[in-house]
Amino acid sequence: AQKITQTQPGMFVQEKEAVTLDCTYDTSDPSYGLFWYKQPSSGEMIFLIYQGSYDQQNATEGRYSLNFQKARKSANLVISASQLGDSAMYFCAMRETTGANSKLTFGKGITLSVRP
Amino acid sequence: KAGVTQTPRYLIKTRGQQVTLSCSPISGHRSVSWYQQTPGQGLQFLFEYFSETQRNKGNFPGRFSGRQFSNSRSEMNVSTLELGDSALYLCASSSGQGRFETQYFGPGTRLLVL
Repeated sequence: AQKITQTQPGMFVQEKEAVTLDCTYDTSDPSYGLFWYKQPSSGEMIFLIYQGSYDQQNATEGRYSLNFQKARKSANLVISASQLGDSAMYFCAMRETTGANSKLTFGKGITLSVRP
Repeated sequence: KAGVTQTPRYLIKTRGQQVTLSCSPISGHRSVSWYQQTPGQGLQFLFEYFSETQRNKGNFPGRFSGRQFSNSRSEMNVSTLELGDSALYLCASSSGQGRFETQYFGPGTRLLVL
């Protein structure tokens, strides 16, 4: 089974509107970390936001927030007030404590296009 | 602080050759991880080095190897290149001491094997 699932096809959003990018995950580990990265066409992976499995509050970082629903095993990224520069690939990733403790497991990514 | 740097940024090789990629982590970071990104397989973990020791390894053939120096800079080597090795190779650095610490990525090296 896939550890991280990102199934949305290419997403489009109008500039200044909010958009939600979906991510579901699969783990039997009670303790884990969830990350979102942005990858523009240049290739660099840019860290956006982190959510720990025991965090009580949903993480927020500026225009980015994470809608964490632990029972549903989902960690959706919400981008508010989209900007043209937000057009990129977005990856959800997970790190577990068991086994490969430093390894990030990534989803397939979602392409976001922001329209002016 | 300067970010993660990778050299070279672009590389073209032919089948059978070998290649060495370099990664300089963020100052103070002791862990360097390498990932391969291809359109078909997505992002896959290669290996991680911490304090000059390989701490973790992904499921790649022995043609893929790496090392880390005392200044935490890391190199990865791919011998006997195959067409399927064409990919974006990303390295990421972190302090290496937290359970869920963030990994910060470099700009990547785009390798094309002809």
